[in-house]
Amino acid sequence: SSELTQDPAVSVALGQTVRITCQGDSLRGYYASWYQQKPGQAPILVIYGRNKRPSGIPDRFSGSSSGITASLTITGAQAEDEADYYCNSRDISGNDQFAGGTKLTVL
Amino acid sequence: QVQLVQSGAEVRKPGSSVKVSCKASGGTFNNYPITWVRQAPGQGLEWMGWIIPMFNTTKSAQKLQGRVTITADESTSTAYMELSSLTSEDTAVYYCASGRSGLFEYWGQGTLVPVSS
Repeated sequence: SSELTQDPAVSVALGQTVRITCQGDSLRGYYASWYQQKPGQAPILVIYGRNKRPSGIPDRFSGSSSGITASLTITGAQAEDEADYYCNSRDISGNDQFAGGTKLTVL
Repeated sequence: QVQLVQSGAEVRKPGSSVKVSCKASGGTFNNYPITWVRQAPGQGLEWMGWIIPMFNTTKSAQKLQGRVTITADESTSTAYMELSSLTSEDTAVYYCASGRSGLFEYWGQGTLVPVSS
């Protein structure tokens, strides 16, 4: 499939580890980047490339990839991590695309 | 640190057009692509297209081709996104974003465009 897909919702207990996945054929050739969006705010980049974090992003955020699946892992989730998470990649036509997003609830 | 400041909210009627601006400061405007992303109420992010100001090269989502025009004015470090033949389905917050290698490291604050008769 040329589309990227994510689970619509995931929950995690405070302090536990959660993995958010993104699937799509384009991920065989292109790294995913991950964006966090809180209500009423613009998204922010949290992971890109081969598990790189922009300055200011806590190291509890990490990324990985295997085949057509990219993953964002939060190790020791905090209340402030509750947000929508979107993966993004480029397809073979040079178009960027976002998956539908995953709503993360921290219990 | 790159900052992107967008123009204010615009209310539009069906069939009309809207043009949103995105002014960059604090970085090298020409080097990074400027990408437009929109988000309908309660929905996810939708990539619309980008422009590389240095080369005036653009690419837009197939779904929007023929309706979206992305331009840039190097003299004012401002990018523009114009969307025509608006329908209620175009009601969204429109964001510009920029960064290295097509990453969206920097985002504008968003521009709300309600389309309603």
